[in-house]
Amino acid sequence: QKEVEQDPGPLSVPEGAIVSLNCTYSNSAFQYFMWYRQYSRKGPELLMYTYSSGNKEDGRFTAQVDKSSKYISLFIRDSQPSDSATYLCAMSGGLTGGGNKLTFGTGTQLKVEL
Amino acid sequence: GAVVSQHPSRVICKSGTSVKIECRSLDFQATTMFWYRQFPKQSLMLMATSNEGSKATYEQGVEKDKFLINHASLTLSTLTVTSAHPEDSSFYICSAPGRGYGYTFGSGTRLTVV
Repeated sequence: QKEVEQDPGPLSVPEGAIVSLNCTYSNSAFQYFMWYRQYSRKGPELLMYTYSSGNKEDGRFTAQVDKSSKYISLFIRDSQPSDSATYLCAMSGGLTGGGNKLTFGTGTQLKVEL
Repeated sequence: GAVVSQHPSRVICKSGTSVKIECRSLDFQATTMFWYRQFPKQSLMLMATSNEGSKATYEQGVEKDKFLINHASLTLSTLTVTSAHPEDSSFYICSAPGRGYGYTFGSGTRLTVV
């Protein structure tokens, strides 16, 4: 069993839809949770960063962490064609500034259609 | 924000030759650099962690003599793929702890060995 499970998709939604992306994990030591967006043939860019359980909102993006269920989510409201990309969840047991490694999900490919 | 510049973005080389990939932190000092490999439609696989002034730490199964990593300064880390073969063709990405939270990724290098 992988440490982090993520549905690879592809997920296709119409423009304006609410998108829900999810990851489950097995390592209870994970404390820091991130979502990255990766466009084709580019490096990932950080979208959201959360610590422990709770919600965090940034514009059209909302990240949720439920440590009791070992489940994290990313919601995208009013999705746009420019949101079409691969979304990777990542997590770490320690502060990233301390050089702690990230464990990634496989990524979910999202396509937002006009 | 923190920027990691990665070069080249794309390289084609002949089998048996060596290729060097550079990652530079432009506006911050990177004492640690992570090197990943990514196959099509798959997640990032951590290959090794480089630390300025010391030997790199390689993940299990990664040949350190084949993938030479040097962290010469606080702003430069390099990955050299030695005696490249077609099976080394992949997307290589570096990342470093930047300012704030999460990691900053380079834009990636697509290596094709013919």
